[in-house]
Amino acid sequence: ILNVEQSPQSLHVQEGDSTNFTCSFPSSNFYALHWYRWETAKSPEALFVMTLNGDEKKKGRISATLNTKEGYSYLYIKGSQPEDSATYLCASTEVQGAQKLVFGQGTRLTINP
Amino acid sequence: DTGVSQDPRHKITKRGQNVTFRCDPISEHNRLYWYRQTLGQGPEFLTYFQNEAQLEKSRLLSDRFSAERPKGSFSTLEIQRTEQGDSAMYLCASSPGTSGYNEQFFGPGTRLTVL
Repeated sequence: ILNVEQSPQSLHVQEGDSTNFTCSFPSSNFYALHWYRWETAKSPEALFVMTLNGDEKKKGRISATLNTKEGYSYLYIKGSQPEDSATYLCASTEVQGAQKLVFGQGTRLTINP
Repeated sequence: DTGVSQDPRHKITKRGQNVTFRCDPISEHNRLYWYRQTLGQGPEFLTYFQNEAQLEKSRLLSDRFSAERPKGSFSTLEIQRTEQGDSAMYLCASSPGTSGYNEQFFGPGTRLTVL
């Protein structure tokens, strides 16, 4: 895996608005895509693990989609709340080896009340 | 089980000193990973253990770094002769299986500042 990219790097959203951000990853040797939420002074928390092309997962107001053929995933947050403020990280794992996570640089989301 | 714990949470040291961090994984998780995050970047893989065996080390892990996982339980990461470039957040994660589909559970990290 050469590079996992996330955009935008930071985002300010008004409370109540919906938002989304992107993770792109190399599609060769792809095995799984992980999304994490990392709040300041806390542990990164797993949101989703996806492997199949076309996969869609949902947890409350947060959902994610996966396109393994073109190498991207979207994370959506509906009706943003102040508690959604965090850094959102995506990470890819390869088919073989350590299954280590290769992370993007993260999207820092701030919800303005 | 209370999750993955790391100690200390913060460490300030002077350049040239040695430091050691500890990670206690979730019980019975056989995989343990160490990652490092520097400012503005995502976490980067350093090394991982399958039970007590250290199976892979990143090129980021210079010979000043050593990690152990005696008895396949807790793990330590030691940095000798610290340099200012070692300042970072050091994260530990554990996983119950060997598949890339398995979730990795992270600790809160140890933030190292080298003066």
